[in-house]
Amino acid sequence: SQQGEEDPQALSIQEGENATMNCSYKTSINNLQWYRQNSGRGLVHLILIRSNEREKHSGRLRVTLDTSKKSSSLLITASRAADTASYFCATALSNFGNEKLTFGTGTRLTIIP
Amino acid sequence: GAVVSQHPSWVICKSGTSVKIECRSLDFQATTMFWYRQFPKQSLMLMATSNEGSKATYEQGVEKDKFLINHASLTLSTLTVTSAHPEDSSFYICSARDRVSQPQHFGDGTRLSIL
Repeated sequence: SQQGEEDPQALSIQEGENATMNCSYKTSINNLQWYRQNSGRGLVHLILIRSNEREKHSGRLRVTLDTSKKSSSLLITASRAADTASYFCATALSNFGNEKLTFGTGTRLTIIP
Repeated sequence: GAVVSQHPSWVICKSGTSVKIECRSLDFQATTMFWYRQFPKQSLMLMATSNEGSKATYEQGVEKDKFLINHASLTLSTLTVTSAHPEDSSFYICSARDRVSQPQHFGDGTRLSIL
């Protein structure tokens, strides 16, 4: 299965601290994307990093990609209570002319005020 | 920009009923739409991929006669759960994309409960 494994499954930190989530996958990819999901809602796209990129930033988010290790990490700096959510990595792979996402198992992040 | 509207957000119905869920891209043309299913505290599982004007491509194990997908326009896709049973109860989420290798934009999901 291409499904990614995320680590940790759950993470609780104090507001203001940094949160790091890791994602591992199994096969070659076109790109890797990170999404956030608030409870009972749809997903919100955070960052897309292409297979030829190693690092990408967006505001308080920093994503790294190591294709040799088939892993990625998402760092959220200076966390806020509003960052409480589940975070999923998703790998994009071409399949018969189409490209689909395979989602990881997710990390449930809780920010303690 | 890139807003996807999914309707209804919540539906409860009796076993044997067919339920239609709509997914609309409001401010972009969605050449491809995706339908996912999510069980509580689990990840998203892709059910099918639909390209406008073409038949949907279903993932292995997903019954195409049970989950009918129509993508008749660049802004609308529908998922119909036919003759729904309690085991079909789940959270269904659609997403839409305008181009390959671009992010998918998600609807807010539909919580389906079959009694």
